[in-house]
Amino acid sequence: AQSVTQLGSHVSVSEGALVLLRCNYSSSVPPYLFWYVQYPNQGLQLLLKYTTGATLVKGINGFEAEFKKSETSFHLTKPSAHMSDAAEYFCAVGGPNQAGTALIFGKGTTLSVSS
Amino acid sequence: NAGVTQTPKFQVLKTGQSMTLQCAQDMNHEYMSWYRQDPGMGLRLIHYSVGAGITDQGEVPNGYNVSRSTTEDFPLRLLSAAPSQTSVYFCASNPRQGPPEAFFGQGTRLTVV
Repeated sequence: AQSVTQLGSHVSVSEGALVLLRCNYSSSVPPYLFWYVQYPNQGLQLLLKYTTGATLVKGINGFEAEFKKSETSFHLTKPSAHMSDAAEYFCAVGGPNQAGTALIFGKGTTLSVSS
Repeated sequence: NAGVTQTPKFQVLKTGQSMTLQCAQDMNHEYMSWYRQDPGMGLRLIHYSVGAGITDQGEVPNGYNVSRSTTEDFPLRLLSAAPSQTSVYFCASNPRQGPPEAFFGQGTRLTVV
């Protein structure tokens, strides 16, 4: 079975500081990995995804994530936080043997950005 | 582009009442799913469907029914609402081919009193 663990339910940074949101996954097959963002009272929006190929994936709004198979991790980073980045972030996993079926989500990390 | 449309956006039910949450997508995706979101719990899968006429249970299916008569629609029925079903419900769809990237509706905020 696949699972996702997001370390830290709440992360606080100052504007301009590095953002690091941690995600570890469990999968018996090479996974597809996703990060989604949810702004208050809205649905989930895709930030970025890892499928195959390059392990460093760039997404929208300056975010990127690196797939590290040896560490079973897919941490999300942004060099310089902006106030508008305050939101809830979800890591999700889906595998080739579940292609097209529902994703498995982590419990989410709330990012707060202070000025 | 409408994408995934959920109705209603807000609903208050009394314990024991039944209702249907509607979900429609216009992207011709074969796969659709329902999640509930609760504080600190992330998104938990309720039911999913891999095509018209085919549905299956997810992690938390009790108290909910689904059907899939067309590719476009995937309604979620609450048979007898309970306070424990107070939550935000999200419908998602994803294409059959390639990575299972999910496209989400805007959610339905349900309160059961």
